Amino acid sequence: DADVTQTPRNRITKTGKRIMLECSQTKGHDRMYWYRQDPGLGLRLIYYSFDVKDINKGEISDGYSVSRQAQAKFSLSLESAIPNQTALYFCATSDGTPTNEKLFFGSGTQLSVL
Amino acid sequence: QKEVEQNSGPLSVPEGAIASLNCTYSDRGSQSFFWYRQYSGKSPELIMSIYSNGDKEDGRFTAQLNKASQYVSLLIRDSQPSDSATYLCAVNPLYNFNKFYFGSGTKLNVKP
Repeated sequence: DADVTQTPRNRITKTGKRIMLECSQTKGHDRMYWYRQDPGLGLRLIYYSFDVKDINKGEISDGYSVSRQAQAKFSLSLESAIPNQTALYFCATSDGTPTNEKLFFGSGTQLSVL
Repeated sequence: QKEVEQNSGPLSVPEGAIASLNCTYSDRGSQSFFWYRQYSGKSPELIMSIYSNGDKEDGRFTAQLNKASQYVSLLIRDSQPSDSATYLCAVNPLYNFNKFYFGSGTKLNVKP
């Protein structure tokens, strides 16, 4: 079983619809992240959370919101989807250890907004 | 100015050659640096991390860090077709510990 699980894997939606992407992890990590990946732009940080009560905006948080329901769950919402939010979305976790700052990524969610 | 810059490529090398990938970063205070490999349609996976100036070797991979010049490089020796992927450079600025900035990636093609 995957340590970081994202659902759904693919989603097609229409402009103006609300959509939620979900992420759950079994690694026991406190730190969770949402990134989006666009061709030629690499990975850009949307939101991150260092524990259940900690939510922080990343580089491109406008149009997105998140919820950290539990240590293991971190969901990303698009309140009113627009076409330029079409992208590949990754959830990631890390344990925050200074000498072991590895990010563990989920398999990604390909979102298309028509 | 982007935090982390990479040449998008593609970089093409013949099988068995050395592939050299480069990355520059803007925050002089950055302390930790990473190389992730991403196959098409897959999620990134960490292949190297480096924290101190100089070279760090792991099998066929060598990461090089020069903080004075603010660049990080990745050398892949004896390149194999299976190394064909996009390589992402990531930096963790000291001032915002554990918030990673990624470059846009360099696509590497290793030709048999």
